[in-house]
Amino acid sequence: AQTVTQSQPEMSVQEAETVTLSCTYDTSENNYYLFWYKQPPSRQMILVIRQEAYKQQNATENRFSVNFQKAAKSFSLKISDSQLGDTAMYFCAFMKLGNFNKFYFGSGTKLNVKP
Amino acid sequence: DTGVSQDPRHKITKRGQNVTFRCDPISEHNRLYWYRQTLGQGPEFLTYFQNEAQLEKSRLLSDRFSAERPKGSFSTLEIQRTEQGDSAMYLCASSRRLGEEETQYFGPGTRLLVL
Repeated sequence: AQTVTQSQPEMSVQEAETVTLSCTYDTSENNYYLFWYKQPPSRQMILVIRQEAYKQQNATENRFSVNFQKAAKSFSLKISDSQLGDTAMYFCAFMKLGNFNKFYFGSGTKLNVKP
Repeated sequence: DTGVSQDPRHKITKRGQNVTFRCDPISEHNRLYWYRQTLGQGPEFLTYFQNEAQLEKSRLLSDRFSAERPKGSFSTLEIQRTEQGDSAMYLCASSRRLGEEETQYFGPGTRLLVL
């Protein structure tokens, strides 16, 4: 079974600073995808960034980047130049490839960006 | 592309009543997923459709729950004889698989409160 662990229930960061959210996962699969989703208060979940397990290069999307360590089964999210609009719950997700691509989500990290 | 929509956004019901939720996926997406999210947790998989076929169901989906996707377009999730433990956010996501790549796009959710 696949499990996704986010060990930081809540984090705070000052506006314009950098913060890193941690995620570890457990799987015996070799091919899979990893995702970070953002869920702002009372708003829908949106995709932040995606990483294919077969790619060694870490994915980046503007201010968002990941540190993917496949051997360590670690997938952290770095947010640079934090903005007030980054305040949200962040969920790490693992997608197992197959006929049916099942997603497994972590319990989330609540990020508060302070002015 | 107007995104995934869900209706209603909020539902309050009394224990024992039946409720039905609707999800309209992104038009070209043939895959549709239902998740349940309780407070402070990540989404948990409930069921999956590919076109009109329901191909996977979680053990979380008791016999009081039924989902349909007639004609492979919108989907409904019905909960019969609701219980207080059914109170949660019910999320719908849709996707289209391109090779091995797949990203799920989430709707805003239906928040259910069972009194």
